[in-house]
Amino acid sequence: GDSVTQMEGPVTLSEEAFLTINCTYTATGYPSLFWYVQYPGEGLQLLLKATKADDKGSNKGFEATYRKETTSFHLEKGSVQVSDSAVYFCALGGGSQGNLIFGKGTKLSVKP
Amino acid sequence: DTGVSQNPRHKITKRGQNVTFRCDPISEHNRLYWYRQTLGQGPEFLTYFQNEAQLEKSRLLSDRFSAERPKGSFSTLEIQRTEQGDSAMYLCASSLTSGGLTYNEQFFGPGTRLTVL
Repeated sequence: GDSVTQMEGPVTLSEEAFLTINCTYTATGYPSLFWYVQYPGEGLQLLLKATKADDKGSNKGFEATYRKETTSFHLEKGSVQVSDSAVYFCALGGGSQGNLIFGKGTKLSVKP
Repeated sequence: DTGVSQNPRHKITKRGQNVTFRCDPISEHNRLYWYRQTLGQGPEFLTYFQNEAQLEKSRLLSDRFSAERPKGSFSTLEIQRTEQGDSAMYLCASSLTSGGLTYNEQFFGPGTRLTVL
């Protein structure tokens, strides 16, 4: 069945460092891909999405490109801030019912 | 309307008791999803509704679990005879699906954290 594998955490970076969180997927067909973020004590929020191959999703300085040839959707940010500390989930839109299939999440801590 | 709300935010119960959670989606959203999230894992799909119809149930949803969305607005998730393994965060999400667009953005509530003693 469809699945998502993402880089295990936790990841600890200094402020202004470059961030990459790897995400690969297995799916039949051509799913949409998402990154969700969960800040401490809050619900999941959509960070960015891409609906077809070669699409680039971007938001708040984060980017991810839908790579069909490598079945990947890696999350990147050029310069992280303390406020980016959160858990990041990669997800794909699975099946006709539209439910999301999530990876296990990667906890990011950014130190000043 | 400020988003998806869930009540209660926390529930502690003893094994064998029944619990019920409520989710109020964004008002115009026709799809409502329930997910379960355990510590260190991503959310796992449980079931979803299109308006008042429950269209899909995951194999994770045992017979002790039942969900309703009687008027196509709020939804309830009931767990009967709770077990310690039911301890988790229960998340609700809603989306507006129109035409052929299946993967519209899902908006998540803050979740209900269940602890079964």
